[in-house]
Amino acid sequence: DTAVSQTPKYLVTQMGNDKSIKCEQNLGHDTMYWYKQDSKKFLKIMFSYNNKELIINETVPNRFSPKSPDKAHLNLHINSLELGDSAVYFCASSQWDPTKETQYFGPGTRLLVL
Amino acid sequence: AQTVTQSQPEMSVQEAETVTLSCTYDTSENNYYLFWYKQPPSRQMILVIRQEAYKQQNATENRFSVNFQKAAKSFSLKISDSQLGDTAMYFCAFMKRDDYKLSFGAGTTVTVRA
Repeated sequence: DTAVSQTPKYLVTQMGNDKSIKCEQNLGHDTMYWYKQDSKKFLKIMFSYNNKELIINETVPNRFSPKSPDKAHLNLHINSLELGDSAVYFCASSQWDPTKETQYFGPGTRLLVL
Repeated sequence: AQTVTQSQPEMSVQEAETVTLSCTYDTSENNYYLFWYKQPPSRQMILVIRQEAYKQQNATENRFSVNFQKAAKSFSLKISDSQLGDTAMYFCAFMKRDDYKLSFGAGTTVTVRA
């Protein structure tokens, strides 16, 4: 029943490690997003993919690399993790249609870098 | 870049009473969408209500309603008959039409007291 799901929900890792977060949606949407929520709860978009094509790439370090194997999946790989990467990462999806633009969010992945 | 301002970091309301959250935004666009999302302690981002800028009629979803003042660039959320389950952080968000990128305010924490 879950519309947008993310794994894992929690991720604790050491500085310098590489980790991935996975996202899947079963809403039939063709556009997916990654947002970052920092310790002050501020939310900011990182990336967006439409039909497996990168369409939004905000000013994010190139240690972050999104990958979309198909329309229903969007993964986020982070290399050489830093303390400042600790945050909650949200995946979202929507339809690429100006009349159906509402974004639906996953439950978030809390990443803690030690 | 669009700026979304939520000037109330925290609000408290008695159960069954009404609370109004303010949101202002800065844009030179004419076609855009506005949203309110709720983030309860579970961390899930839940869509509360959306408004299309070209519609003058204020959106309503059950106990949630907005007061959209386009000229003033204001988009406040009213929660009527507050319930304990309304306790959450509420985010106002802006999206330019065809942009597919949500810009969020800093959030307002609402606590409903029994």
